[in-house]
Amino acid sequence: SQQGEEDPQALSIQEGENATMNCSYKTSINNLQWYRQNSGRGLVHLILIRSNEREKHSGRLRVTLDTSKKSSSLLITASRAADTASYFCATDAPAAGNKLTFGGGTRVLVKP
Amino acid sequence: GAVVSQHPSWVICKSGTSVKIECRSLDFQATTMFWYRQFPKQSLMLMATSNEGSKATYEQGVEKDKFLINHASLTLSTLTVTSAHPEDSSFYICSARVQQETQYFGPGTRLLVL
Repeated sequence: SQQGEEDPQALSIQEGENATMNCSYKTSINNLQWYRQNSGRGLVHLILIRSNEREKHSGRLRVTLDTSKKSSSLLITASRAADTASYFCATDAPAAGNKLTFGGGTRVLVKP
Repeated sequence: GAVVSQHPSWVICKSGTSVKIECRSLDFQATTMFWYRQFPKQSLMLMATSNEGSKATYEQGVEKDKFLINHASLTLSTLTVTSAHPEDSSFYICSARVQQETQYFGPGTRLLVL
């Protein structure tokens, strides 16, 4: 079963707008990671946030983690057409034997 | 950064044949590699964990005799789909873990079984 559930499943925005997607999980984690996948391609690692961290930034990406609510969010600011992709959260949890468990993903479409 | 390659990138085969997919870590050594399967518009599902020099650990519901995994060296793991059938058609992705945290993924192999 999936550890992470992502919301929304799909998101369509105009270039320049911000995109926010959320990930909820069920058990305690060591860390949570966000990945991007372009259509038919492999996954690109974006950000890893550890359980004792609350926020991390990388360029136009901002990730938050709320362990009390077992949730994380990924914000893409000033989106570009090239940001069109599927975004997945993945949790590294002791209950899963420290193997990554992926959420269902959010498909983001950035219209030029 | 860490680079993982997969070969082939796509393969079409007849039902009943076996297909081997290679996963290589190009610029680092990976004691642990992972194999995932992804159906269209779905998430990645872990199939097995491949440890160098030992038997792979398969997830529940994954047939170990059908999906043979060999991790012969610190830079190479192979997945062989034996006696492939149309329902095995999927996107197979490997990854290699670095420093017990970040996983780096290969570009994937698309398998179509006719």
